[in-house]
Amino acid sequence: AQSVTQPDIHITVSEGASLELRCNYSYGATPYLFWYVQSPGQGLQLLLKYFSGDTLVQGIKGFEAEFKRSQSSFNLRKPSVHWSDAAEYFCAVGNNAGNMLTFGGGTRLMVKP
Amino acid sequence: DAGVTQSPTHLIKTRGQQVTLRCSPKSGHDTVSWYQQALGQGPQFIFQYYEEEERQRGNFPDRFSGHQFPNYSSELNVNALLLGDSALYLCASSSGTRNYGYTFGSGTRLTVV
Repeated sequence: AQSVTQPDIHITVSEGASLELRCNYSYGATPYLFWYVQSPGQGLQLLLKYFSGDTLVQGIKGFEAEFKRSQSSFNLRKPSVHWSDAAEYFCAVGNNAGNMLTFGGGTRLMVKP
Repeated sequence: DAGVTQSPTHLIKTRGQQVTLRCSPKSGHDTVSWYQQALGQGPQFIFQYYEEEERQRGNFPDRFSGHQFPNYSSELNVNALLLGDSALYLCASSSGTRNYGYTFGSGTRLTVV
């Protein structure tokens, strides 16, 4: 069975500082990996995805993520955080059938001015 | 171009009652997936509908059922409501079943008292 672990429930960073959100997955085959962001009262917005190829993936809003098969990780990074990045971030793995996402528990990001 | 529309946005039900939630997919999308997001947790896959049939189901009891109409809109029905069914219910639409190009709605917040 596939699973996703996001070890950090809450993270607080200062505006302008760099950010790394951790994600570890468990999946038997080549994973389809995703990062979503959710603002209060909103649905999920896709930041980036990895299916195959280059292990460093660029997304929207200046985010990037690196797939490391040896560590079963797909960590999300941003070099300089903006106050508007405060939100909940979810890592997810998709099954090979392309019809089901399994999400981690999420990391709530707070940004200090 | 309208995205995914869910209704109602909020509702309160009593234990033992039944509830129906509705979802209209994004224009051009023909597949609808439903997710349950309990407070402080990541979304959990309930099921996916395509061509008016349930194509994939997550680990949810039979109290959770759905329907898809010829215009691709969908309903999620929950019978014999439990307090633990209180959650944000998210609808996601896509084009075809083997496609992770999801667009999520803002969700329906269900409170069971």
